[in-house]
Amino acid sequence: DAGVTQSPTHLIKTRGQQVTLRCSPKSGHDTVSWYQQALGQGPQFIFQYYEEEERQRGNFPDRFSGHQFPNYSSELNVNALLLGDSALYLCASSFGLLNIQYFGAGTRLSVL
Amino acid sequence: EDQVTQSPEALRLQEGESSSLNCSYTVSGLRGLFWYRQDPGKGPEFLFTLYSAGEEKEKERLKATLTKKESFLHITAPKPEDSATYLCAVQGNSGGSNYKLTFGKGTLLTVNP
Repeated sequence: DAGVTQSPTHLIKTRGQQVTLRCSPKSGHDTVSWYQQALGQGPQFIFQYYEEEERQRGNFPDRFSGHQFPNYSSELNVNALLLGDSALYLCASSFGLLNIQYFGAGTRLSVL
Repeated sequence: EDQVTQSPEALRLQEGESSSLNCSYTVSGLRGLFWYRQDPGKGPEFLFTLYSAGEEKEKERLKATLTKKESFLHITAPKPEDSATYLCAVQGNSGGSNYKLTFGKGTLLTVNP
């Protein structure tokens, strides 16, 4: 049973560029949440998708946007990258909005 | 605004030396408190969910407990493979539509052989 898969594993971008990160949820899960984890910090909630709609959003600017597809997979897009966007981006999936969230291995984004 | 504070920030133990990690939280109505383990460069791995004060859960050398203001993760006779960062998170109940997890900064546990 495949767990949560994220791609790519590592990414290097320069300031001002745009990036797209991808996530496939655990089999049977329909809800995807995205988190940003800076070095030495806990994960910070970005947003959550259920039934292809953004259900809740954290304190992140509009440069961060997302999408959920009919097969429940999801994308996180970040525009106009800043140095401070360098972090580990984690995707978590769950069955429904309130159940246990299982995390993928993350995408390490470096902005130079 | 939900808040989670974990202590200590780092803990170094000898193999077999039992100890506890603390997670203090403030939340307007607790849906659940979650413990995760995170190895370097990897995503958090789910350990336990606790839903109400007095609840306890165990898994191998780990035992999680919950009160109305804090949770403890007790580690009994730890082994070097227990070395990791342990993250605590809460899911609140504000407005009936709070689905996010709010995490603490974690406790970095090192177990020396």
